[in-house]
Amino acid sequence: SQQGEEDPQALSIQEGENATMNCSYKTSINNLQWYRQNSGRGLVHLILIRSNEREKHSGRLRVTLDTSKKSSSLLITASRAADTASYFCATVFFGNEKLTFGTGTRLTIIP
Amino acid sequence: DADVTQTPRNRITKTGKRIMLECSQTKGHDRMYWYRQDPGLGLQLIYYSFDVKDINKGEISDGYSVSRQAQAKFSLSLESAIPNQTALYFCATSDQRGSTQYFGPGTRLTVL
Repeated sequence: SQQGEEDPQALSIQEGENATMNCSYKTSINNLQWYRQNSGRGLVHLILIRSNEREKHSGRLRVTLDTSKKSSSLLITASRAADTASYFCATVFFGNEKLTFGTGTRLTIIP
Repeated sequence: DADVTQTPRNRITKTGKRIMLECSQTKGHDRMYWYRQDPGLGLQLIYYSFDVKDINKGEISDGYSVSRQAQAKFSLSLESAIPNQTALYFCATSDQRGSTQYFGPGTRLTVL
């Protein structure tokens, strides 16, 4: 079963705009990770945020975590055509080291 | 990322055939994983291994088997392939419990 649920399922924006995608989960987590997948390729890790953290940054990426709402968001600022990809959140539960992936958000950047 | 390689990259086979997908890594990680991805969906865990002597079933292990030949090698077998096993298969590694995973480029398997 899929633990994380991304929203929206698909998003199209103009190059230069910001893109925000959300992930909700159901049970307490140890950490939450965001991955990017270019069409048909392997996943690439973007950011890991632990349950005791509220926000992390990496370049143009900003991830927030709200454990009270069981949700996370990924913000990509100043989007570029190369950001076109699917983005997945993955959760790690306490006492379980496996990653459980959501169904992803398909992001399209329009030049 | 060439640190995790998968062979073959594409494979077309027929129902009932035995298929082996191979994964090799040069990252020195103990933990290795096999996932399956169906179109438009996330990844589902098939099997995972914490070290050479430790193999564990994931969410969807039925119809699959694995072999951890060495720290660097983890193979996935479909004993008798069926059409609904048509999917993208990914191998991944990690060095710590619940930490970042590093993925191979994937194998696109089609079962006719």
